[in-house]
Amino acid sequence: DAGVIQSPRHEVTEMGQEVTLRCKPISGHDYLFWYRQTMMRGLELLIYFNNNVPIDDSGMPEDRFSAKMPNASFSTLKIQPSEPRDSAVYFCASSTTNTGELFFGEGSRLTVL
Amino acid sequence: AQSVTQPDIHITVSEGASLELRCNYSYGATPYLFWYVQSPGQGLQLLLKYFSGDTLVQGIKGFEAEFKRSQSSFNLRKPSVHWSDAAEYFCAVGGEKLTFGTGTRLTIIP
Repeated sequence: DAGVIQSPRHEVTEMGQEVTLRCKPISGHDYLFWYRQTMMRGLELLIYFNNNVPIDDSGMPEDRFSAKMPNASFSTLKIQPSEPRDSAVYFCASSTTNTGELFFGEGSRLTVL
Repeated sequence: AQSVTQPDIHITVSEGASLELRCNYSYGATPYLFWYVQSPGQGLQLLLKYFSGDTLVQGIKGFEAEFKRSQSSFNLRKPSVHWSDAAEYFCAVGGEKLTFGTGTRLTIIP
């Protein structure tokens, strides 16, 4: 079975550019989570969805970040405009439950120059 | 607020030796507790979880963890490590929203 699929795996962009990260959750999973991982701050929950509806976006750092889930099989995390401090690995994870058993994608490594 | 502390940033053990990774948590109720493992360049994989019941839980790859409420701990153990266990290990607490510790990097020496 396919796991959580993220694209792109690597993205290098210049400050001020728009970045869109994509995620396809595991079929049948109705929870989707976006995490950011950095050396300084570790793993941070940015936002999560249940049945395509955003439940908690309190972790989204600022208005430059937005996330959508237009259907059960696709989600995007957008950064506009991007800044060097946004450089990180962004993980998408999905789950069938609300009990913390997450399935992670391999991540999207973002470098903003 | 929930929080997780992993006091060891980096641990080095010899192949075949036993392993214990420490985790302390803060949570307002009975916690759901987890250990995840991350290999280089990969996402996190669930090793084991504790919800309730038996305080010693078994996971994949020969790992186990023990929940000790009195010590607010959930330490991960393995009796004999293999070179393939080299990775970063994260303890997490919560339910719908997980809070992760800062991770412990495990290095295995032959």
